[in-house]
Formats: sequence, C-alpha cells, structure tokens
Amino acid sequence: GENVEQHPSTLSVQEGDSAVIKCTYSDSASNYFPWYKQELGKRPQLIIDIRSNVGEKKDQRIAVTLNKTAKHFSLHITETQPEDSAVYFCAATDSGGGADGLTFGKGTHLIIQP
Amino acid sequence: SAVISQKPSRDICQRGTSLTIQCQVDSQVTMMFWYRQQPGQSLTLIATANQGSEATYESGFVIDKFPISRPNLTFSTLTVSNMSPEDSSIYLCSVEKGRGEAFFGQGTRLTVV
Repeated sequence: GENVEQHPSTLSVQEGDSAVIKCTYSDSASNYFPWYKQELGKRPQLIIDIRSNVGEKKDQRIAVTLNKTAKHFSLHITETQPEDSAVYFCAATDSGGGADGLTFGKGTHLIIQP
Repeated sequence: SAVISQKPSRDICQRGTSLTIQCQVDSQVTMMFWYRQQPGQSLTLIATANQGSEATYESGFVIDKFPISRPNLTFSTLTVSNMSPEDSSIYLCSVEKGRGEAFFGQGTRLTVV
C-alpha cells in the first residue's frame, strides 16, 4: 500500500516569512495529492490539492508543487500570518478520486512567531 | 463541498462497552470513509463504506471490532465494540465530492475509562 512521509514534524517561522512542508510517497500509481489544515480541536480542512498531470498549483499565498519522477510534493506558504498556525497534513491516493481513501503523512505543526 | 454531521461529538465510555457513531451527509454520496485520529497523531483509514455492500477494512482493522452500517446514500454508522483505553481517539467520517476532494465531519472524541 501507499506510504507517505512528511517533514518537518514541527516548523517555526517568523510572521511574514515563507514556510515549506515536504512529503514523499511510495506508490507510483498515486495521482491525487491534497493538503489539509487542522486547527486545534477542529476537523481537517482541505486547503489545496494537485493532480498528477500538473506540476504546480497556486491559490493566493499557498502553492503546491509535485515532482512525479522523484515522488515528492511540497506545500509553500508565503507571507505567513498568525492564523496560519495549525497542523498541516499531506495525503495521497491512487484512485484519482479518493474512492480508496487517503493515506496521510504524520503532520507538520506550523508555528508562526509574531 | 459537503455538510457532514457527526454525533455524538464526544463521549466518555466504560471499558468493555460499545459506542455507535452516526454520520449524516447533506447529499447522496457513493463512498463514505471512517478514519481514526489518535491523540496528537495523523489520520488512519479504518474502512470504506459503500451503500449496499459490506464495508472494506484496512489492515489492522476488523469488522468484529468496528462494525459499519451504510443503509442509504446519506448515512453511515461506525460502532467501536468492546472498548479498551487504547480505543480512545477521535473518529471522523469523510465523503468525497466533486473531483475527489474529501471532506470531514467534525469528529467524535472518544475517551474510554
């Protein structure tokens, strides 16, 4: 089955700086890679996703890049703000539509220092 | 997106008892998923529930411990049976909408004492 590794486990950045979280996956059949943000005590919320036919996707301050050859994908947050503090999870699935469920990374606790 | 309601939101249960968690979606969906999130950890898929057929369980999870019902296209239940303190976790249901985006219920925080 799929295995997703995520680094770092904790990331502390100054407000206004950029944050990068990296994930690798094992199953070359995986073709859908979402990122979730989970605030304390709340449900995971989808913030951005990317499919295997695209190398990069951007949504305002958030971007995701995918390297299928190397089997890794990354989340980039620019101009970080205090409300970006949360746990971020990457995930992968090989169905292209989530019908097989998601395999999650272990999460990154992002701390934005004022 | 999807509006997913889970209940109970939290419960404290005695070991050896069972708890059934309900998940209601505001629209019809083919697949519903159940995840477990142990304290401070990531999400692990327990099983996939397809209406009209038996749930498909992931490695490490069995039907006797986590029986699932899926009576229609908007509802599912997960039962945590014969609970022990190791079952203390957050249990989340999830559905897929659109082009595969997964959305989650608010979770059920279970504490077994």
